[in-house]
Amino acid sequence: GAGVSQSPSNKVTEKGKDVELRCDPISGHTALYWYRQSLGQGLEFLIYFQGNSAPDKSGLPSDRFSAERTGGSVSTLTIQRTQQEDSAVYLCASSTTWGPSDTQYFGPGTRLTVL
Amino acid sequence: AQKITQTQPGMFVQEKEAVTLDCTYDTSDPSYGLFWYKQPSSGEMIFLIYQGSYDQQNATEGRYSLNFQKARKSANLVISASQLGDSAMYFCAMREGLRPAGNQFYFGTGTSLTVIP
Repeated sequence: GAGVSQSPSNKVTEKGKDVELRCDPISGHTALYWYRQSLGQGLEFLIYFQGNSAPDKSGLPSDRFSAERTGGSVSTLTIQRTQQEDSAVYLCASSTTWGPSDTQYFGPGTRLTVL
Repeated sequence: AQKITQTQPGMFVQEKEAVTLDCTYDTSDPSYGLFWYKQPSSGEMIFLIYQGSYDQQNATEGRYSLNFQKARKSANLVISASQLGDSAMYFCAMREGLRPAGNQFYFGTGTSLTVIP
């Protein structure tokens, strides 16, 4: 079946502009995660959605970052007034449950470059 | 304290040889899961193998096996018969199981593996 998809694959923007990144999880997966990966670094957790529960936003680095998930499926990560330090690869993952065995399946990522 | 520690920033292995990538973890939660992911230069994170804290046997998936030593809190990945396509970054990750919170999924800093022909 189809995996996690993300769009766009690459985004170049100017400092101060807003950007929207999209994630389409695997059908039937109730959990959805956003991570940020800076060059040569590990993954930094941003936000987590589980079903209809309130999202876990504890990883968002500032109030310029927000995310929503519509209808329990597609999610959009929005970065307002982008800064150069926002340049990174943004990865989305989904899983079926939240338990210890919930394997996260990742999308290909969106590479964001802020000039 | 770091939840996941990968002490090998870079590793080299000869093609067709086996290689072990180290991972230690830190948790007081009795229920947890351990994962290994591969990230080739294309950037996508590819799930390789999973080990549950209550699993009695080491997990295996094809050429991948997880050397799970619970008392030592280590979960090393063993890749047998290395292939050129195995060259990538490898991330160890842990999920603590009792609470449905997204930030309970922890990643290590990764090990860059290079397979030499």
